[in-house]
Amino acid sequence: EAQVTQNPRYLITVTGKKLTVTCSQNMNHEYMSWYRQDPGLGLRQIYYSMNVEVTDKGDVPEGYKVSRKEKRNFPLILESPSPNQTSLYFCASSSPRIDETQYFGPGTRLLVL
Amino acid sequence: AQTVTQSQPEMSVQEAETVTLSCTYDTSESDYYLFWYKQPPSRQMILVIRQEAYKQQNATENRFSVNFQKAAKSFSLKISDSQLGDAAMYFCAYRSAYLNFGNEKLTFGTGTRLTIIP
Repeated sequence: EAQVTQNPRYLITVTGKKLTVTCSQNMNHEYMSWYRQDPGLGLRQIYYSMNVEVTDKGDVPEGYKVSRKEKRNFPLILESPSPNQTSLYFCASSSPRIDETQYFGPGTRLLVL
Repeated sequence: AQTVTQSQPEMSVQEAETVTLSCTYDTSESDYYLFWYKQPPSRQMILVIRQEAYKQQNATENRFSVNFQKAAKSFSLKISDSQLGDAAMYFCAYRSAYLNFGNEKLTFGTGTRLTIIP
């Protein structure tokens, strides 16, 4: 089954404790992206990757890091989480040469205390 | 920069009736894509329908159809024969057809929460 997976789905952590949210897709998509969803703000892009070893900032990159060492994986790293990073996070992927549609993972709900 | 506006934070409709969700956008580009995503209580983002700006014909997917008015920059979603399973948050989204540095960023509206009344 073609899908985007994220882990963990739910996470409660404390300020300053480094964490990683994993994202993996099995569709051989070149493009991957991270969004965060906050009430009243919709979804906003954090980082994106055009392909392996090619990443760039989106609209709200502060406090986040990413890497793209393999085509299927695009982890989101919070080096020192703060309460304002409490949010719902989505990973998405697509293949620009084939389809304009982005396919989303199930989301990761993060609470930073 | 492009913006997407959904002016109806909440809507409700009687089961089996028809409801229209509004979306307007602002862009200086001539070629782009527009999407409606559904987010049920599970929080999963599910593509409902998409429209290519260069196509004048409005997209339809079963009970879902759009009214795309390019000059007015309007992209409304009509749900016919509403069902209980249609209850969700609906997001309108814009994507440029010109890949800016390879970024396929979706610009989202703030969403409309749709309630279905049995």
